[in-house]
Amino acid sequence: NAGVTQTPKFQVLKTGQSMTLQCAQDMNHEYMSWYRQDPGMGLRLIHYSVGAGITDQGEVPNGYNVSRSTTEDFPLRLLSAAPSQTSVYFCASSRTGEGQFFGPGTRLTVL
Amino acid sequence: AQSVTQLGSHVSVSEGALVLLRCNYSSSVPPYLFWYVQYPNQGLQLLLKYTSAATLVKGINGFEAEFKKSETSFHLTKPSAHMSDAAEYFCAVSDRVGNNRKLIWGLGTSLAVNP
Repeated sequence: NAGVTQTPKFQVLKTGQSMTLQCAQDMNHEYMSWYRQDPGMGLRLIHYSVGAGITDQGEVPNGYNVSRSTTEDFPLRLLSAAPSQTSVYFCASSRTGEGQFFGPGTRLTVL
Repeated sequence: AQSVTQLGSHVSVSEGALVLLRCNYSSSVPPYLFWYVQYPNQGLQLLLKYTSAATLVKGINGFEAEFKKSETSFHLTKPSAHMSDAAEYFCAVSDRVGNNRKLIWGLGTSLAVNP
């Protein structure tokens, strides 16, 4: 199993550009989530999904969109990048009752 | 509402000494509790979890944690620190109700291990 994979590993954007961060898991987990990690602020939940076709907002959803058309994939879209979105982004997946498995992260810089 | 407090954002121990990282939680329902470790420039890795079985939970790399309901605590310990334990450690709590598996995270504790 590859576990949770994320692409790209690094990305630099200009303000106003859009992009999609990819996340895939091969463990047939129903639950997937996106976090951002910023120094001194821990992990903050952006969006999550409890199954294909079902998504919901976390605590910091503004400026981000998600969709879940398959169990395996959960892409995160930045609609119009802003410097405040400079962060490290982690995707995670889990089965009900188990701990979450994390991807290696995407380091995003918005200039 | 659930919350997690990790006491001490930075902890420093000598190699071979006891590691104690503190985590207190609040939850209106019996919680699931987790400890994760993050090495530099990596994702988070599950160390151990409590899901209402034994109150003393053993995890990977020699770590363990004890669930104490009366103290609402889930402190992480390791009898003898190793240099490779230097990392960021996160405590998290989740409720058990329904399909919502959102985790509430502590802010993390950075563990330094001195030779």
